[in-house]
Parts: sequence; C-alpha cells; structure tokens
Amino acid sequence: DTAVSQTPKYLVTQMGNDKSIKCEQNLGHDTMYWYKQDSKKFLKIMFSYNNKELIINETVPNRFSPKSPDKAHLNLHINSLELGDSAVYFCASSPLGGGYNEQFFGPGTRLTVL
Amino acid sequence: ELKVEQNPLFLSMQEGKNYTIYCNYSTTSDRLYWYRQDPGKSLESLFVLLSNGAVKQEGRLMASLDTKARLSTLHITAAVHDLSATYFCAVEGNTPLVFGKGTRLSVIA
Repeated sequence: DTAVSQTPKYLVTQMGNDKSIKCEQNLGHDTMYWYKQDSKKFLKIMFSYNNKELIINETVPNRFSPKSPDKAHLNLHINSLELGDSAVYFCASSPLGGGYNEQFFGPGTRLTVL
Repeated sequence: ELKVEQNPLFLSMQEGKNYTIYCNYSTTSDRLYWYRQDPGKSLESLFVLLSNGAVKQEGRLMASLDTKARLSTLHITAAVHDLSATYFCAVEGNTPLVFGKGTRLSVIA
C-alpha cells in the first residue's frame, strides 16, 4: 500500500543510453513532481504536473521529458544520458485544495551513468 | 526569486543537548515545511507551518514560523541518536516548493 512508488530503485547505465523512470501514486493527489538530488544532497524541482498537464518546467535539458498518462502516474524519460545526470531522482505528489502544498515523496531512483 | 538558506549545514551534537536549526527565506511566504531524510532514504514530512506564529511539536522536535522575520526554527530538545538525519526546510513561493540545502545532524554519545 505504498503511497508514492518509483521503479527502478537503482539504475546503472552507460553514457549515451536512453532510460525511463516510472512513478505512481495511490493517494488520489492531483499534482506530481520530479526532483533531482545531487551528490551534495541539494534538492531541486525539475517538473510539476497538475492533473496530467505540465505546469512547471524548470531549467532542465530537453533530453529530459516527463510523461503523465493519467493523474496517478508521472514518468521521466531521459535521452542521451550524460555523466552529470548521475543523481537520485525523487517523484512526489501533493493534493490540490486544502490551502497548502505538503508533498509526499517516493523512495527515489539512484541513477549512475558510467 | 525565492531563496532559502539553512544553517548550520552540518551539526554534530551530544546526546542530551539542545540545539536549533535555522531556516531563512528571501520573499514573503506563510507556508513552510520541514522534512527529514535518513541516509539513502526518501524525504519524510515532519511539520507543516501555515501562518505567522505557528508552532508544531512532535516528540523532541519543535518547529516555529515567523513570517515577518522570514524565519523558521527547528528546535531539538535532549537529542538522541535516532534523530541523526538530514533536515530540510522548504518554502512555498511562486513555484511549489524551494528547498534549503539541508542540515546534516549527527547525534553522538
């Protein structure tokens, strides 16, 4: 009954490859996010989707493309992987309404690019 | 652009001692969140502070928010080893959340 789940947990791949990370939430939330946490633990938002529509797209290379087939899923596809893409990627979700934006995070996907 | 600063970034404290982590932010907001992250794990929501003067307590942790000073504090009382983790504050501005760099807390015997 995991609230926000991600697959895979670990991903090791070569430079130049294309890979995807999947995220699903069963909380009934309307908004989902992708964050990148670098080696210094700095957490930065990449994308935000509200009910399948992109609402935030921070300065992220266009090799990164989010896809939301429905409001419970937000996948992240990365083309032509580079060494600098190595990081932990977290998916999160939050409800609309309630007047605030508490986010619930998935377990993370540790991506290593060799 | 909203900026969030935490200090200290690293904190080593003895069991039983008290300490405070500070979170300053640069633009007006009345919504602030504290998260905990254990090594290799995800972020866990600790506190949601939604108004000036809000104070929340859970066990040995107490968080407060002063929106006029643009400051939140996370106070640790009588630290125990289980509190060792990285603590993040996050502020809601025009983008959903902007996170501080985190405070890595180590509680030692």
